Amino acid sequence: DADVTQTPRNRITKTGKRIMLECSQTKGHDRMYWYRQDPGLGLRLIYYSFDVKDINKGEISDGYSVSRQAQAKFSLSLESAIPNQTALYFCATSAAGQPYGYTFGSGTRLTVV
Amino acid sequence: GESVGLHLPTLSVQEGDNSIINCAYSNSASDYFIWYKQESGKGPQFIIDIRSNMDKRQGQRVTVLLNKTVKHLSLQIAATQPGDSAVYFCAENIGSSASKIIFGSGTRLSIRP
Repeated sequence: DADVTQTPRNRITKTGKRIMLECSQTKGHDRMYWYRQDPGLGLRLIYYSFDVKDINKGEISDGYSVSRQAQAKFSLSLESAIPNQTALYFCATSAAGQPYGYTFGSGTRLTVV
Repeated sequence: GESVGLHLPTLSVQEGDNSIINCAYSNSASDYFIWYKQESGKGPQFIIDIRSNMDKRQGQRVTVLLNKTVKHLSLQIAATQPGDSAVYFCAENIGSSASKIIFGSGTRLSIRP
């Protein structure tokens, strides 16, 4: 099994729908992140969490929300999906001892039509 | 604002030759720089990092060079192999809190047989 598991792998949804992307990890890491990847723009940080009671906005948090249900689970929600949220979404984790050595999931490809 | 970017979006290298991927950054306060590799259909994978108080760090077949004077970072891959084909991202930490990094837009490395 993968260390960081994202579900679903692919999703097509309609404009205005609420959608949740889920991430779970078996690394035992405290820190979890959600990134969005668009062609030519690299990865951009949406939200991050350093522990269960900690939630922080990243550079592009508008239109998104997150929930850290447990140390191992960090979900990303789009309250009302819009077409420009079509992208590849990655969850990542890191440990306090190696804060920049992220472990990424395989990504969720989201299409909003 | 801060930015980190790569000099070339694509790089083609003969198998067996050395590859050099370059990156420029703008934030003088960054104290960590990281390289990630992303293969097709996968999430980014940590390769190597370097602290700002170093100018060189070596890993297995990879070397990262940091020139703080001109805010330049490079990743050198020795004896490039077909398995090195991927998109390579440089990243830097931002802000005073650990574990928050921004990514460049990536260089796609292709290997000629």
